[in-house]
Amino acid sequence: RKEVEQDPGPFNVPEGATVAFNCTYSNSASQSFFWYRQDCRKEPKLLMSVYSSGNEDGRFTAQLNRASQYISLLIRDSKLSDSATYLCVVIRSNSGYALNFGKGTSLLVTP
Amino acid sequence: GAGVSQSPRYKVAKRGQDVALRCDPISGHVSLFWYQQALGQGPEFLTYFQNEAQLDKSGLPSDRFFAERPEGSVSTLKIQRTQQEDSAVYLCASSPLGGSRETQYFGPGTRLLVL
Repeated sequence: RKEVEQDPGPFNVPEGATVAFNCTYSNSASQSFFWYRQDCRKEPKLLMSVYSSGNEDGRFTAQLNRASQYISLLIRDSKLSDSATYLCVVIRSNSGYALNFGKGTSLLVTP
Repeated sequence: GAGVSQSPRYKVAKRGQDVALRCDPISGHVSLFWYQQALGQGPEFLTYFQNEAQLDKSGLPSDRFFAERPEGSVSTLKIQRTQQEDSAVYLCASSPLGGSRETQYFGPGTRLLVL
């Protein structure tokens, strides 16, 4: 079983919709969590960190539920430019804080 | 600005051929990571350097894979006797010190196709 599990989608939503992605992780000792965005044939880029209290950055909201080992990303008022793959990331417990990626969830926002 | 660069960007190799992939991290970054991303998958950790020391190579899939960073800056990932299953994008990332909350900056990757 992979340490980080995501629904691969694809999620097809119209512009302006709200969409939510979920992710679960298996290592209860994990301390740091992130969402990365990866455009087609490009490298992953940090979208946002995920904090225990939840955090918001414009149209994006990330939540962490440590008891359920569950991470979510909510995108409000979807834009065409939000179309990408969203990667849930948990820090490896060793390996100098290398990243443990989920498989990614594909989002396509349509006009 | 000078981000992480990788070369070559694309590499086609015949099965059995040796390949060398180069990563130039951001200047001054202490930590360097290699990841392998197969089609339709998320990146998978291969190995980690802190300066010139390779502190974790647990993700290298076989002894055909070898990585080095002799002077603590540029790193090379070498794959000997390439197999078709080695076809993937190889991503390099660096971070200033390697703390848990530090952003890792990724290079554009080397897309390897083994025929």
